[in-house]
Amino acid sequence: AQSVAQPEDQVNVAEGNPLTVKCTYSVSGNPYLFWYVQYPNRGLQFLLKYITGDNLVKGSYGFEAEFNKSQTSFHLKKPSALVSDSALYFCAVRQYNFNKFYFGSGTKLNVKP
Amino acid sequence: DVKVTQSSRYLVKRTGEKVFLECVQDMDHENMFWYRQDPGLGLRLIYFSYDVKMKEKGDIPEGYSVSREKKERFSLILESASTNQTSMYLCASRTTGQGGVGPQHFGDGTRLSIL
Repeated sequence: AQSVAQPEDQVNVAEGNPLTVKCTYSVSGNPYLFWYVQYPNRGLQFLLKYITGDNLVKGSYGFEAEFNKSQTSFHLKKPSALVSDSALYFCAVRQYNFNKFYFGSGTKLNVKP
Repeated sequence: DVKVTQSSRYLVKRTGEKVFLECVQDMDHENMFWYRQDPGLGLRLIYFSYDVKMKEKGDIPEGYSVSREKKERFSLILESASTNQTSMYLCASRTTGQGGVGPQHFGDGTRLSIL
């Protein structure tokens, strides 16, 4: 069965420090991987995706993510956190040639001044 | 930019009512999706549609139905609303173009309360 795990319900980081939000997945075949961010009372906004190629992908607002095939992980990173990055982050995976997306349970990122 | 519009941001209904949630996208996307979002559970797929008049059940279709008569519009119907359907409902769309690797684009959600 396909699944996505975000092992941390919440991540706390000080402004200016690097941040990591973790994601591991289980999917048959080659996965397409996505990160989304959700601000309060809003829908999800697309941040970045991994399809193929370079394991480090860059996205919106200075975020990047590292794909690790052997560890089946796709962790979201940012070198220097901002208070405005505080939000709910979702990892999602889609199996090649299928329309269905699988989402993790979400990680709440708190960036303190 | 892609715009996905959900007709209501907040909705309050009573148990037993038939409830319609509407979603419209303006980018001629083939695929459309309905999710519900509950704390700690992430997004769970209710139904999706891969094209007009085509639909497929997601993970939690019980108590719901959908309609897609036009490409831009995807409706979610709660046949007889129950309190356990109180939730945030999110609509999304995506294109099957761009090599089939495009992301989903989401509306702002409808927070539905069933009393």
